[in-house]
Amino acid sequence: AQSVAQPEDQVNVAEGNPLTVKCTYSVSGNPYLFWYVQYPNRGLQFLLKYITGDNLVKGSYGFEAEFNKSQTSFHLKKPSALVSDSALYFCAVRDRNTGFQKLVFGTGTRLLVSP
Amino acid sequence: SAVISQKPSRDICQRGTSLTIQCQVDSQVTMMFWYRQQPGQSLTLIATANQGSEATYESGFVIDKFPISRPNLTFSTLTVSNMSPEDSSIYLCSAIQGEQYFGPGTRLTVT
Repeated sequence: AQSVAQPEDQVNVAEGNPLTVKCTYSVSGNPYLFWYVQYPNRGLQFLLKYITGDNLVKGSYGFEAEFNKSQTSFHLKKPSALVSDSALYFCAVRDRNTGFQKLVFGTGTRLLVSP
Repeated sequence: SAVISQKPSRDICQRGTSLTIQCQVDSQVTMMFWYRQQPGQSLTLIATANQGSEATYESGFVIDKFPISRPNLTFSTLTVSNMSPEDSSIYLCSAIQGEQYFGPGTRLTVT
């Protein structure tokens, strides 16, 4: 069965500093990997995905994520954090070999960017 | 991209009653899903809403408790039946159009 781990409940970073939100995954086959962001009282918004190809994936709002097969990780990064980046971030995985569109989510990491 | 709306956005219900949540997508989509996000927890897939056939439920979720309708390719409903306080959650509708998109959620509180 596929699973996702987000080891940090919360990440604190000062505005202008780089940020990293960690994610590791487990699937039986090859993964599709995703990051979503949830702002208060709003639904999940798609940030970026890894399907195949370049291990560094660029997404919305200046975010990027690096796929590392050997470490089974897909950490979310941004070179310079903004206060408006403060939100709840979810990593998700889909096993491409199952032929089913089920997304499995991690428990989420709250990002707090201080001015 | 798909734009998904849900009604109601929130509700407070008494135990033992039922609530039907509506989900509308602005374009035709093949696959629609219903998720639950319990307080402080991640999203859990309840079921896949299949157009023209019964929904496919995940382990731990049953049709009697969470009946789902999918009358066409843009609309679905989820009913939370015989509610208890443990059903207090955010319920999210989702659809795939290229990427997987989510509605804003319905925040349900059961007293």
